[in-house]
Amino acid sequence: RKEVEQDPGPFNVPEGATVAFNCTYSNSASQSFFWYRQDCRKEPKLLMSVYSSGNEDGRFTAQLNRASQYISLLIRDSKLSDSATYLCVVHNAGNNRKLIWGLGTSLAVNP
Amino acid sequence: DAGITQSPRHKVTETGTPVTLRCHQTENHRYMYWYRQDPGHGLRLIHYSYGVKDTDKGEVSDGYSVSRSKTEDFLLTLESATSSQTSVYFCAISATGQSTGANVLTFGAGSRLTVL
Repeated sequence: RKEVEQDPGPFNVPEGATVAFNCTYSNSASQSFFWYRQDCRKEPKLLMSVYSSGNEDGRFTAQLNRASQYISLLIRDSKLSDSATYLCVVHNAGNNRKLIWGLGTSLAVNP
Repeated sequence: DAGITQSPRHKVTETGTPVTLRCHQTENHRYMYWYRQDPGHGLRLIHYSYGVKDTDKGEVSDGYSVSRSKTEDFLLTLESATSSQTSVYFCAISATGQSTGANVLTFGAGSRLTVL
């Protein structure tokens, strides 16, 4: 089982739709979680950190479910500019502390 | 945006030749990283630095070396490039290290390397 798994998509949604991505992780000791966004042929950029209580930034909401070991990203009122790949990142705790990157979920928002 | 630049942005080279990629930052961040990104793989850490002259290996360090003689510069060298090193290379910086949970990275624009 991969340490971090994401549905690769692509998710094709119309403008204004609500879309949700999940990301599962295997290490129950993981402590920090992030969503990065990567546009085609560009560098990843931090979208938001994911806090235990869940957090919201405008149209974006991130949730953490420790019991089931997954994090989610909800995008409301999708815009064309939201089209990108969304990378799930987990900070692996313990003796081998490092960031583990998912392969990403591709989103295409259509007019 | 954070001041982080990579050079060259694109390079085509032949198998067996040495290649050096440069990462330059103006943020005075202590930590710098080199990642590679390939289809079917998440971003993979090659090497990282936690200060001038302080570097350590990542998960895919074979065939790569790094140097950091100044806070602002982190060089990645392929001593003898192979076709398996064809990839997109990203430099990243952070104010905190991987031992902390708040390890947020800022990336450069990437260097696309093709080894023929």
